[in-house]
Amino acid sequence: EIVMTQSPATLSVSPGERATLSCRASQSVSSNLVWYQQKPGQAPRLLIYGASTRATGIPARFSGSGSGTEFTLTISSLQSEDFAVYYCQQYNIWPPLTFGGGTKVEIK
Amino acid sequence: EAQLVESGGGLVQPGGSLRLSCEVSGFTFSNSWMTWVRQAPGKGLEWVANINQDGSQKNHVDSVKGRFIISRDNAKNSLYLQMNSLTVADTAVYYCAKGARYPDYWGQGTLVTVSS
Repeated sequence: EIVMTQSPATLSVSPGERATLSCRASQSVSSNLVWYQQKPGQAPRLLIYGASTRATGIPARFSGSGSGTEFTLTISSLQSEDFAVYYCQQYNIWPPLTFGGGTKVEIK
Repeated sequence: EAQLVESGGGLVQPGGSLRLSCEVSGFTFSNSWMTWVRQAPGKGLEWVANINQDGSQKNHVDSVKGRFIISRDNAKNSLYLQMNSLTVADTAVYYCAKGARYPDYWGQGTLVTVSS
């Protein structure tokens, strides 16, 4: 099973600033990685697939990069609606699909 | 627009059973892999199971193998999760989602609480 590790657990950012979230895989997952956003009481929302392709309707301020074992989600200028928990998930080797533990982006 | 609505959650005693359902609309269900993901209170996401278009291929996470069974009824546009021998560790919100490798549409979830 591939273990996904996200850092930091919590990121405090001011509105308008850039946020950089990291995700590391225990072995290479190529570019088979997605990012989800989850707000309290809501289901996860797909943001990025294939490590860097934005899903339908996702604003351009969200960008993904990386391959192999190291990945980054960048939010270029945080808006109020972006404060949430973000999860990475690999789909290179499954089952099982595996998720990272999440990064909470909170208002500084 | 895709819609997924879960039902069947509730309070159950340890060792008990529940059957979750997920009714979908807005996309061709019979052409889609489907997935269950759960989230324990205050915790992260955990993939539980998925099933291919005609139900001939099913995958379950090790922690539920032998206890949970995923199934579907394409005539009813419905996905199911039969959960047996439930334990406190199975307490979670259970989401159904469209897709196999990276679910792109999710329901709002149904809460399963296992407690005596």
